[in-house]
This record gives sequence, structure tokens and C-alpha cells, in this order.
Amino acid sequence: GAGVSQSPSNKVTEKGKDVELRCDPISGHTALYWYRQSLGQGLEFLIYFQGNSAPDKSGLPSDRFSAERTGGSVSTLTIQRTQQEDSAVYLCASSLGSTPGQPQHFGDGTRLSIL
Amino acid sequence: GENVEQHPSTLSVQEGDSAVIKCTYSDSASNYFPWYKQELGKRPQLIIDIRSNVGEKKDQRIAVTLNKTAKHFSLHITETQPEDSAVYFCAANVGGNNRLAFGKGNQVVVIP
Repeated sequence: GAGVSQSPSNKVTEKGKDVELRCDPISGHTALYWYRQSLGQGLEFLIYFQGNSAPDKSGLPSDRFSAERTGGSVSTLTIQRTQQEDSAVYLCASSLGSTPGQPQHFGDGTRLSIL
Repeated sequence: GENVEQHPSTLSVQEGDSAVIKCTYSDSASNYFPWYKQELGKRPQLIIDIRSNVGEKKDQRIAVTLNKTAKHFSLHITETQPEDSAVYFCAANVGGNNRLAFGKGNQVVVIP
């Protein structure tokens, strides 16, 4: 596809359930980022993948959050034992490569609501 | 540190006037500064960016200026139009790498 694709677009689940969010980056982009945006707030960095290097997980808020990127393309963000404070829009972005200052292009996000 | 702060939080301008949003950052290693526009319910869209080896960059009605000494950069929108109404986010790369730290956003309202 032409842009970053995320699925599902909306997810409603009960507190305590696990959820998986998917991101398909722009073809050829080696860097992939996950952010979280709470209502009316800025973007909070979660995790960053660059090629085959170890991911930068420094933004993950707790050990309930994890992410994988298989085959250097699609990424999955998993939230275990969801809490109400996890409700937010989860945004994925990708960029061309490892050179610092590569423009990041965002997907439409997954709106996660925890009941 | 990696704090990025934006001000004002809300800005209202008459159509046709100019709008200026300022951002400050704390990380001396930052060398890439993008601006994103986000309309309600939409994805953030990159509208302009600047690197530290340049002091100013312009693209039609949008310009960005950078003062590395003072660690601040500004977005300038001239001849504002109603479709410029949105939330604008500034960001700076952390440690000179690819990870971005974002400001909390500015709500710009263009009054017809």
C-alpha cells in the first residue's frame, strides 16, 4: 500500500483482556515506531524498531506492553491485562532508514477503549 | 533531557492573518525538528521539517525558523485559511537519533 496501515481501526474490550494491534509500514521503510495519544494530548513514544537492531523499548509504560516486528516489516503491539488507563489512540509510524532525521509517516491509528 | 514545549496552547486568528507557534527543546543533541498537523480524528501529517544546519525553511505559506543557540524553533503560517484550523505538533529528535519527542500541541482556530 501507499501509506502506513493499522488494524483494527477501533477496538473495544473489557478490562483484563489482552489486545493485539497491527501495523503495516510503508514498503521499503526499515524504521517503525509506536506512539500513544490520549484524548487531547500529544504523542507519547512507546517503542522503535530499526532494521535488525535491538528495539528501543524505553517508552513502554509497563511490562504489560510488548511489541514485535517479524521479518522486518509488520509489527504487532500487545497489551496484556488491559486497564482503563490504556484507553487511547495507538499510532504507528515508519521512516526510510537509519539516518537520523528521516521523516516519519503515520497511520490512522487504532482507537482502543477499555470498558 | 528531552522536553519539548509548545506555546501558546490555543491560538485564534482572523482569516488572512498570520499565525506563529513557538517550541522550545532541551536536548542539545537534537538536530531534526518536524512539524505535524492533525485534524480532528485524523492522522498527524508532516507539513514541514528543518535540520540543524539550516536556520529557515519555507514551503508556500508555511515556514519554520530555528535558533539553535536559544533552543527554540517556530512555525509561521501566513495568509491563514479556515482549512488551516487544526492541532499542530512540534517535535525534536532525541539524542540526535530517530526517536522523536513531541510537544503537547497547539490548537489553531482560523476565524472566517
